[in-house]
Amino acid sequence: NAGVTQTPKFQVLKTGQSMTLQCAQDMNHEYMSWYRQDPGMGLRLIHYSVGAGITDQGEVPNGYNVSRSTTEDFPLRLLSAAPSQTSVYFCASTQAGYTDTQYFGPGTRLTVL
Amino acid sequence: DQQVKQNSPSLSVQEGRISILNCDYTNSMFDYFLWYKKYPAEGPTFLISISSIKDKNEDGRFTVFLNKSAKHLSLHIVPSQPGDSAVYFCAASARRGTYKYIFGTGTRLKVLA
Repeated sequence: NAGVTQTPKFQVLKTGQSMTLQCAQDMNHEYMSWYRQDPGMGLRLIHYSVGAGITDQGEVPNGYNVSRSTTEDFPLRLLSAAPSQTSVYFCASTQAGYTDTQYFGPGTRLTVL
Repeated sequence: DQQVKQNSPSLSVQEGRISILNCDYTNSMFDYFLWYKKYPAEGPTFLISISSIKDKNEDGRFTVFLNKSAKHLSLHIVPSQPGDSAVYFCAASARRGTYKYIFGTGTRLKVLA
């Protein structure tokens, strides 16, 4: 049981390049989400999904796309990277129930030059 | 506008003493609150939660207090241990089951041995 895994751990991009941040969970959680963490800003919700085939926008969705074709995977795509997207990205999945807790992956540190 | 605020960026406490971390919110629709702990280079991990129907919730050394009239919650750690040194985030949701959380900016706790 690996929990929530994210790849890569680190990535450097040039402005205008595209890439996909991978996220997978093996806990059969229906809900998955992507956050970014910037200094002094806390974690901000980018996109989330309540199940396969269903996605919606969070607080800061611009510049990012997501899809959810399976329960396990929730990739985040940057179509044309910008320096403002330099951040640490966390994927999370949620077990429905009393505490509604989220299980976070270890994060991807992205730098856009 | 920051809906969830943690006004103390850092806090230092002696081992064995009480640590009190504070969180204020502005949205009166928030009715479910969580605390997360984050170590460097790791994702946040769930610590404790509280629903707005309660004013206190305990789990071992950790207690969360909620003052709805003041829109304020606090996390008490007693006794504090060096392993508690981490960044603590509070998060709020307008309705359990929406799975959309607003996070505060975090407080870095350092427990001195």
